[in-house]
Amino acid sequence: QKEVEQNSGPLSVPEGAIASLNCTYSDRGSQSFFWYRQYSGKSPELIMFIYSNGDKEDGRFTAQLNKASQYVSLLIRDSQPSDSATYLCAGKNDKLIFGTGTRLQVFP
Amino acid sequence: KAGVTQTPRYLIKTRGQQVTLSCSPISGHRSVSWYQQTPGQGLQFLFEYFSETQRNKGNFPGRFSGRQFSNSRSEMNVSTLELGDSALYLCASSLTGTGYYEQYFGPGTRLTVT
Repeated sequence: QKEVEQNSGPLSVPEGAIASLNCTYSDRGSQSFFWYRQYSGKSPELIMFIYSNGDKEDGRFTAQLNKASQYVSLLIRDSQPSDSATYLCAGKNDKLIFGTGTRLQVFP
Repeated sequence: KAGVTQTPRYLIKTRGQQVTLSCSPISGHRSVSWYQQTPGQGLQFLFEYFSETQRNKGNFPGRFSGRQFSNSRSEMNVSTLELGDSALYLCASSLTGTGYYEQYFGPGTRLTVT
């Protein structure tokens, strides 16, 4: 079992819709979680981080963390074609462990 | 504030050679981590340095090594290159490496081994 798991996708959503990206983790010692966006041929870009149970909102992005269920999610509201990228979830205990990413496609 | 920089951006090497990659963290950041990214394996953690000391290490062979200098700049070295070492090597910096741990990536070095 991988330590951080994500559905590889692609997840296809129409422009203006909400995209929901999910991630589960196995290490209960993980304390903090991060979402990165990676465009093809580019390096990962940090978009959200969350440390406490519940929701954290930043603009069009909302990260959700449920430590009891070992579940992290990222919601993107009003999705735009420019949001089309691979989204990487990562959890940290003593080191940062990444999932393999979910490819998001937003079509006009 | 300048971001994380990595040099060189592209490298082509031959099997059996060695290579050294360089990373300069964001000013004030003291932790540098290195990752290997391949299409099949995704982002895999190599090692982390903080205040010139290796603090964590991933599951890579001893051919992969690194170091950090007093100005927080870091280098990683791969000896006796194999075809499977072809990958994007990313470095990331963070303020301290513990507690709140926002980590920012450099543009990467694309290594091709022929």
